[in-house]
Amino acid sequence: AQRVTQPEKLLSVFKGAPVELKCNYSYSGSPELFWYVQYSRQRLQLLLRHISRESIKGFTADLNKGETSFHLKKPFAQEEDSAMYYCALSVSMDSNYQLIWGAGTKLIIKP
Amino acid sequence: EAQVTQNPRYLITVTGKKLTVTCSQNMNHEYMSWYRQDPGLGLRQIYYSMNVEVTDKGDVPEGYKVSRKEKRNFPLILESPSPNQTSLYFCASSDRDKYALQYFGPGTRLTVT
Repeated sequence: AQRVTQPEKLLSVFKGAPVELKCNYSYSGSPELFWYVQYSRQRLQLLLRHISRESIKGFTADLNKGETSFHLKKPFAQEEDSAMYYCALSVSMDSNYQLIWGAGTKLIIKP
Repeated sequence: EAQVTQNPRYLITVTGKKLTVTCSQNMNHEYMSWYRQDPGLGLRQIYYSMNVEVTDKGDVPEGYKVSRKEKRNFPLILESPSPNQTSLYFCASSDRDKYALQYFGPGTRLTVT
């Protein structure tokens, strides 16, 4: 069965420290993965997708098929990175499409 | 401005009183979806729609109904709300070809007493 696991409900790091938010997935097909972010009092929005292999707001994420992981990383955390982060897996079955979501990780950047 | 709107934003109601949460998007998106967000459980999909008159159950459809009579609207209906439906609800939309790139509404916080 398809599943996305974010093992940390809460992650707290100091400003300037490296950040890694973990995401593991289970999917028999070819995975397409995303990170979404929800800042305080704002809408959930797409942060990045593995296909684009881009860096957004200093964040990167690499798909590791061997470890079935898609961890989100940033070398130097900033206070404005405090938010809720969701990892999501895109699946398609019989012409139906769904996003499978992880439970989310709340990231707190301490000054 | 391209956006997804939801109404109401906040709602307190009593068990059994039918309610509807509206969702509208102005981006001509084919794909629309409803989620509920609960602490520790993340986002769980309730229903989704690939196009007008096409709807499918998500992971937690029990107790909910939807309809898609027009492309821009995707209302969520709770025929007989119960306290376990107290939650934060999000509507989202996207292009069918890029369904995973979803635009979210601001959320509706529902409390059922």
